[in-house]
Amino acid sequence: DAKTTQPPSMDCAEGRAANLPCNHSTISGNEYVYWYRQIHSQGPQYIIHGLKNNETNEMASLIITEDRKSSTLILPHATLRDTAVYYCIVRVVRGSGNTGKLIFGQGTTLQVKP
Amino acid sequence: DADVTQTPRNRITKTGKRIMLECSQTKGHDRMYWYRQDPGLGLRLIYYSFDVKDINKGEISDGYSVSRQAQAKFSLSLESAIPNQTALYFCATSDQGRETQYFGPGTRLLVL
Repeated sequence: DAKTTQPPSMDCAEGRAANLPCNHSTISGNEYVYWYRQIHSQGPQYIIHGLKNNETNEMASLIITEDRKSSTLILPHATLRDTAVYYCIVRVVRGSGNTGKLIFGQGTTLQVKP
Repeated sequence: DADVTQTPRNRITKTGKRIMLECSQTKGHDRMYWYRQDPGLGLRLIYYSFDVKDINKGEISDGYSVSRQAQAKFSLSLESAIPNQTALYFCATSDQGRETQYFGPGTRLLVL
């Protein structure tokens, strides 16, 4: 699975959009980009994933660059409850070598401030 | 009720003791996983199971064993606990078709 790079921390004002970047320059064609978050020692929570098209769900939007070497998770209206560590993970979903393992890096600690 | 439950939620034990952490799920998923998390670090995979008869080691399986008693139950055992196994342990499940993992609330283990 490709390695990802995220900034260690970010701040965001409550009610504003939070844009969390992730670099994955070695991503392969069959690797998806997944985002999870972990709120203070709770179990990680799935947010969204995508292959090459932009994706949106009730929690967030995922913007993947055309060359797929980076992506941005967007929380459109951040609340205090969005304060968490956000993990960007790249992994093969199907095919040989798929262990189901998620490789969690250091993630980005997002602090939403009033 | 939560889809993925873990028991106990907190446990204090002594070096050399055998302990078991249990995980149950009501999501009907066939895949289950055990991870550990050390302070300030990401999660690391201990064991995973793709169905009842399938058990696989993860990246840090030494000192641990698992049992998949049923599709819905996956237990993690520490045969002889040692202090560096003090950590937060998470169970997760996923469906073969979707691959998204759903995590339990975690078990905080302290080995004295």
